[in-house]
Amino acid sequence: ETGVTQTPRHLVMGMTNKKSLKCEQHLGHNAMYWYKQSAKKPLELMFVYSLEERVENNSVPSRFSPECPNSSHLFLHLHTLQPEDSALYLCASSPLVGSNEQFFGPGTRLTVL
Amino acid sequence: KQEVTQIPAALSVPEGENLVLNCSFTDSAIYNLQWFRQDPGKGLTSLLLIQSSQREQTSGRLNASLDKSSGRSTLYIAASQPGDSATYLCAVRTIRHGSSNTGKLIFGQGTTLQVKP
Repeated sequence: ETGVTQTPRHLVMGMTNKKSLKCEQHLGHNAMYWYKQSAKKPLELMFVYSLEERVENNSVPSRFSPECPNSSHLFLHLHTLQPEDSALYLCASSPLVGSNEQFFGPGTRLTVL
Repeated sequence: KQEVTQIPAALSVPEGENLVLNCSFTDSAIYNLQWFRQDPGKGLTSLLLIQSSQREQTSGRLNASLDKSSGRSTLYIAASQPGDSATYLCAVRTIRHGSSNTGKLIFGQGTTLQVKP
């Protein structure tokens, strides 16, 4: 596969569940990002990783826990979510943090019941 | 705080029409501005990037302009086609300050375009 891939593409979970979103990039990039896209709201940056180190956390609640084991993989661990967390979660990568070009994955559509 | 607004929220046009999508931002201190396309169920694809020192960029039937002083950008689509139907997002990159702030993308809510055959 090429580009940025995300799994699962769709996820339905209860508020007490624990689940994880996975992102993988095959572009040799050093920076990876998590974005949240809610209905009727602009895309919001959640986390930024550079060479597996978190460099930015935009006041995201602790029920969202990112993990970057290597520069090709990024996870978002979810626990005790709220219905308002239902959204499209997009992963992106770029050659370096702050690079002009970010390449986006197709997203995971999350529904919290 | 930088805010990005896109008007209209939705637009429906017949095939062949030329159209303009609008984007405005509140803080003119930007590094650059990008226009993205998002198809349903898919991620974002970068269309055009305009550096803060530039006035416009062109790619095929697309032309994007930037007036930084007034906080405005437009995306012009010539001879629209049904395949242009998608949501178009405008995003500005904030200015970097030192080594700790790398500049972030601030997105508008998008304009959903439908081009009817």
